[in-house]
Amino acid sequence: QVQLQQSGPGLVKSSQSLSVTCAISGDSVSSNNAAWNWIRQSPSRGLEWLGRTYYRSEWYYDYAASVRSRITINPDTSKNQVSLRLNSVTPEDSAVYYCAIYSSSSYAFDMWGQGTMVTVSS
Amino acid sequence: DIHLTQSPSSLSASVGDRVTIACRASQDINTYLNWYQQKPGKAPNLLIYAASSLQSGVPSRFTGSGSGTGFTLTISSLRPEDFATYYCQQSYSTPRTFGGGTKVEIK
Repeated sequence: QVQLQQSGPGLVKSSQSLSVTCAISGDSVSSNNAAWNWIRQSPSRGLEWLGRTYYRSEWYYDYAASVRSRITINPDTSKNQVSLRLNSVTPEDSAVYYCAIYSSSSYAFDMWGQGTMVTVSS
Repeated sequence: DIHLTQSPSSLSASVGDRVTIACRASQDINTYLNWYQQKPGKAPNLLIYAASSLQSGVPSRFTGSGSGTGFTLTISSLRPEDFATYYCQQSYSTPRTFGGGTKVEIK
C-alpha cells in the first residue's frame, strides 16, 4: 500500500520560496510505472496541476505554464521522496498543496498526500 | 489547455436519490476522464478512471459513462457518506486539468 507523507512550512512571506516535501513509502520514486505530481487547491483557482516528474531510464519534468518560470520539482532517490519548490511567491500562491501519484495503469491520480496548507503573507 | 465544465455546480438531494453529474470537455478526450470525491479537509479520492472503470474499493453505486466530450457520474442511491464535492479530471494531455466541482448537499 503506497503512502505519501507531506511536510513543509505553513507560512511563507511574499517574494520568498515555498518548499514542500513528499515522502514515499510502498513504492519507489524511480518506478517506471508512476509519475509524481504536485497539485494545489484554492477557492479562487480550484484544483490546479502544477507539474510532474517521472523516471523512464532518465528523469523527465513537465510544468504548468502558469508557474514554469518559478517551479522546481526534484526527486531524491536517496530519501525516496519528491519535493516542490516555488520561488517568488505572492498571496495568490496561498493554497493547499498536494503530491499525488499518477498511475500508468489507471491514467489517474490514484493516491494523494494529506495536503499541506500554505499561506503567503504580504 | 483542455477545459472541463461540470454541471450543476451544486445540488441538493436526499438519501436514496439517484444523482447524475455532468462533465463536458472543450475537445475530444476519448475516455481519458476520471472522477474524484473530496470531503472537507481531505485530499480528493479517485472513484472512476478511464470514464467508466471503478477504482478498487469504491462502492458499485458509483458509475461513470461517456466518451469524446461528454461524461457523466451517477450515484444510483445516495448514502449519507456520499455528501461531498465531486471533480472530473482529464488525462488526455498535459497540463492535466480539473472541472470546477459539484457539491452534493443534503436536502
